Amino acid sequence: DAMVIQNPRYQVTQFGKPVTLSCSQTLNHNVMYWYQQKSSQAPKLLFHYYDKDFNNEADTPDNFQSRRPNTSFCFLDIRSPGLGDAAMYLCATSRDLRGAGTDTQYFGPGTRLTVL
Amino acid sequence: DQQVKQNSPSLSVQEGRISILNCDYTNSMFDYFLWYKKYPAEGPTFLISISSIKDKNEDGRFTVFLNKSAKHLSLHIVPSQPGDSAVYFCAASDSGGGADGLTFGKGTHLIIQP
Repeated sequence: DAMVIQNPRYQVTQFGKPVTLSCSQTLNHNVMYWYQQKSSQAPKLLFHYYDKDFNNEADTPDNFQSRRPNTSFCFLDIRSPGLGDAAMYLCATSRDLRGAGTDTQYFGPGTRLTVL
Repeated sequence: DQQVKQNSPSLSVQEGRISILNCDYTNSMFDYFLWYKKYPAEGPTFLISISSIKDKNEDGRFTVFLNKSAKHLSLHIVPSQPGDSAVYFCAASDSGGGADGLTFGKGTHLIIQP
């Protein structure tokens, strides 16, 4: 089945210790997104890749970086996690139907990050 | 400033009745709206969408209504079933802006009571 896979599902890190979350997709979609969702909050877009083009949201902290080595994989790097970075991190993909108005995104199960 | 608002954190509905989930938005550039359903420990799952050129879209038990003048949309589920118990997120996008992300509401936790 075509899908969006996130590993690990649960990640525990220490304050200030770099951590990498991974996402892979078998949908062959052009676009990959990373969202942060804190408890009882709406998912918030951090950045997205359109193919290899990286697009950062204006209010995404510099502490968050991303890499997309190929179509299938995308990584979220948190260089120095703080307590406030504890959240669910959701990866999503979409086909690029620019102008067609259909931006349906398909989400992975998420990685819950705990910062000690 | 929240551009997509779901003002009801939770909603309880009896099985077999209609569930109505509401969503308001403030950004007039939004022209594509989606509803996602989320179970605990899973990612959001796409449910139904509507383009701003329509005012209604139906898919089985799920119907989404869009009132552009009021900047309001609603999701109707009829009849409601126990498996519908989940958190429902309203999301919006400005499709003319290209492959941008979605703007989500905070979600409404729907509880279907037997």
